[in-house]
Amino acid sequence: SAVISQKPSRDICQRGTSLTIQCQVDSQVTMMFWYRQQPGQSLTLIATANQGSEATYESGFVIDKFPISRPNLTFSTLTVSNMSPEDSSIYLCSGGQYTEAFFGQGTRLTVV
Amino acid sequence: AQSVTQPDIHITVSEGASLELRCNYSYGATPYLFWYVQSPGQGLQLLLKYFSGDTLVQGIKGFEAEFKRSQSSFNLRKPSVHWSDAAEYFCAVGAVNDMRFGAGTRLTVKP
Repeated sequence: SAVISQKPSRDICQRGTSLTIQCQVDSQVTMMFWYRQQPGQSLTLIATANQGSEATYESGFVIDKFPISRPNLTFSTLTVSNMSPEDSSIYLCSGGQYTEAFFGQGTRLTVV
Repeated sequence: AQSVTQPDIHITVSEGASLELRCNYSYGATPYLFWYVQSPGQGLQLLLKYFSGDTLVQGIKGFEAEFKRSQSSFNLRKPSVHWSDAAEYFCAVGAVNDMRFGAGTRLTVKP
C-alpha cells in the first residue's frame, strides 16, 4: 500500500488569495488525483495529475482556478486560486495503481 | 455511465449490534467495487475491494461485503459494531482513473 501525506491539514484563508496544497506519496504510484469534498458531500474528482505534463481536468474544473503540478512520480501540488467562500471544502489527494486508490488525510480549507 | 447509490444517509446502531450498509451500482462491465471509511477530520481508508472471484469479500476491522450481480449490490456488513466504527462510509465503483463515489452513509453508534 501507499502512504500519502498532505499539507497543510487545514487552513483559513482570505477571499481573493491562493493556497497551494502539497501531496507526497511514499512510493511510486502510476496515477495521482485531486478530489474535492464539499461540506456533507461525497467526493468529486477535480483532475488527474500527470507527471511532467498538464493535468487532465474534469468537467467544471479549469486550470486557471486549480493549477496542478506533478514534477515526479511521488509529488504533486494543487493550488486553489482567487479563493471565494464557495471554495471552502476538503481537498484530498489520491494515488494508486489501476485497481486501488489510497488517500491523504485531506486539507480542510475555509475561505472567509 | 457508472454510478453508485447509497440509499441510507444516516444509520444509528447500538454497540454490539450487527450492521449492514447498502450500496447499489450501475456499471457497464464487471465492476471494480470498493468500500472506504472516513473518520472525522481524516482521509479515506480502504476497507475492502472486489474485482472478481469469491463474491464474499473480507476486509479490515472485521468488515465484509457481498457482491450480488443480480441485484447490482455490494452491501457492507459487520456482525458486531464497536463505538470506534462511527464514521462516514463510502461505496465506490470503477477503476482508479474513473472512480465514482456514493454520497456516503454516516454511521452513529449508540452506547
